[in-house]
Amino acid sequence: AQTVTQSQPEMSVQEAETVTLSCTYDTSENNYYLFWYKQPPSRQMILVIRQEAYKQQNATENRFSVNFQKAAKSFSLKISDSQLGDTAMYFCATHTGANSKLTFGKGITLSVRP
Amino acid sequence: GAVVSQHPSWVICKSGTSVKIECRSLDFQATTMFWYRQFPKQSLMLMATSNEGSKATYEQGVEKDKFLINHASLTLSTLTVTSAHPEDSSFYICSAAPGPSTDTQYFGPGTRLTVL
Repeated sequence: AQTVTQSQPEMSVQEAETVTLSCTYDTSENNYYLFWYKQPPSRQMILVIRQEAYKQQNATENRFSVNFQKAAKSFSLKISDSQLGDTAMYFCATHTGANSKLTFGKGITLSVRP
Repeated sequence: GAVVSQHPSWVICKSGTSVKIECRSLDFQATTMFWYRQFPKQSLMLMATSNEGSKATYEQGVEKDKFLINHASLTLSTLTVTSAHPEDSSFYICSAAPGPSTDTQYFGPGTRLTVL
């Protein structure tokens, strides 16, 4: 079974600064995917970034990048130049081919202060 | 591209009535669709996995007779909450996978159900 742990329930960051959201996971699979999803106040789930476990290179998407440490089973999200629109709940998730389901962490509420 | 819609976006019903929620993939075919439930400030809880043309697979603890799922076509899945009660009030989200792998899922905007 997969588990995803997001131990920080809330974080706050000043606009234009950088913030890192932590996530650890556990899986016995060798092939899996890792995701960060954003859920703004509208509650629409938005894919922020995706990482294939077999790729060593950390995924990046504009201001969003991950620090993927496979041995430590850690998958943190760095948001650079934080913007007010980044205020949202962020969920870390895993997916393996074995059960074909997304397993979500509890989420973290990020507030960007003007 | 890859848009998933849900209808209705918000529904209020009386206790004891049934409510149907539709999930549509607008610009792709989805062999697999998923239904989630989310309480305020909490994570998404997978309720069931829906495959076109076959019976849905329900997660442990989810009452299949209460939450009826039908995936009649490659672009439409429906969730019917039967004999709804106030404790069924929640935010219901669907996602659709263009498949065959389900690692890529596109989410609908969600449906807020309030049972009075």
